[in-house]
Amino acid sequence: DAGVIQSPRHEVTEMGQEVTLRCKPISGHDYLFWYRQTMMRGLELLIYFNNNVPIDDSGMPEDRFSAKMPNASFSTLKIQPSEPRDSAVYFCASREALGGSQYFGPGTRLLVL
Amino acid sequence: SQQGEEDPQALSIQEGENATMNCSYKTSINNLQWYRQNSGRGLVHLILIRSNEREKHSGRLRVTLDTSKKSSSLLITASRAADTASYFCATDVRAAGNKLTFGGGTRVLVKP
Repeated sequence: DAGVIQSPRHEVTEMGQEVTLRCKPISGHDYLFWYRQTMMRGLELLIYFNNNVPIDDSGMPEDRFSAKMPNASFSTLKIQPSEPRDSAVYFCASREALGGSQYFGPGTRLLVL
Repeated sequence: SQQGEEDPQALSIQEGENATMNCSYKTSINNLQWYRQNSGRGLVHLILIRSNEREKHSGRLRVTLDTSKKSSSLLITASRAADTASYFCATDVRAAGNKLTFGGGTRVLVKP
């Protein structure tokens, strides 16, 4: 398996623009997680899905952020409109089952100017 | 504060020495996991220790868990320059919906 795949790897955009981050989890993994990592706040869980259903979105910063998982092999995290404080590395991770280890993608490094 | 807190925040050692880092947490756990993150990369799972286990080994890694003290330690023996990375503990808590909560990490520098 290729592991968790994220795209793009780098994104530079201007404030106010829409940003869409993409993730393909490992096949057969029922759980998908979106994290954000910054120097100031460390690694934060934004939202996670189980069998394509959002379970906990309490970490989503505000209404500008939205996430979808239309099928078992694809998820998106959208920021609209983007702001400079959204600059961070966004990670997607998947997990086979409860109590197991998580597999992280390489991350998307987002810079909002 | 976070469920998992690593200590120290940073560690600098010479190649060949052992590196020990600790993780403390607040609530009962199902398991505790350790991850490594190299600069600019995603986190990589190292080892998982369940709440009914006290010690686990994987290669040069040794993890202990003391549920009475709500703490865990990660020992890297005979460190190598390639071990330079940040190390994170993550707790799996049933009451939290089994989502992992990560600590702030320990930055380890192994000098050749």
